[in-house]
Amino acid sequence: SAVISQKPSRDICQRGTSLTIQCQVDSQVTMMFWYRQQPGQSLTLIATANQGSEATYESGFVIDKFPISRPNLTFSTLTVSNMSPEDSSIYLCSATSLQGSEQYFGPGTRLTVT
Amino acid sequence: EDKVVQSPLSLVVHEGDTVTLNCSYEVTNFRSLLWYKQEKKAPTFLFMLTSSGIEKKSGRLSSILDKKELFSILNITATQTGDSAVYLCAVEGTGTASKLTFGTGTRLQVTL
Repeated sequence: SAVISQKPSRDICQRGTSLTIQCQVDSQVTMMFWYRQQPGQSLTLIATANQGSEATYESGFVIDKFPISRPNLTFSTLTVSNMSPEDSSIYLCSATSLQGSEQYFGPGTRLTVT
Repeated sequence: EDKVVQSPLSLVVHEGDTVTLNCSYEVTNFRSLLWYKQEKKAPTFLFMLTSSGIEKKSGRLSSILDKKELFSILNITATQTGDSAVYLCAVEGTGTASKLTFGTGTRLQVTL
């Protein structure tokens, strides 16, 4: 199984600012994803991070608000731009291993926007 | 649109009890169903099921999939307080490779 780390683990930000979350996997993986989990809710997929090309966004999420990079097979970043209190959530990175489609999750980033 | 429904939403049991968590789904071109345990932030992978009728087992936890009736169950026997968590069910369709659609989860509380 892949071991995934995320930075920062938590942050408190002011509205209107941006935060970049980093996700590092300890081995090469085929696919990386970014999810959001709002308080009391389940996980919602934001986008698939594609290596070397633009991310694929799910309905309701746009690149201007959530720009994503994936420069190589083990690293990705998600930026939450122009934040508002509604962006307060846990943001989770996940990845699928080369061997199968089990998806493993990073420890998450708890974001609070004031 | 893919859909996953879990029941019950929450459950309180006594240590030693056996619990069954349910997950029903509607998905285009089903590929797999996954169970996760979420205690604080990160969901921890439990099982991936792809074939009907084959039980997956890990210690006191087991799960089985019924692709005809479109549901799965997760059983936990001899529950312990450490089993207290939210249990998430997710399905993967083949429309977008490896994209998971999650249910809202079942919150399990095990009391002494």
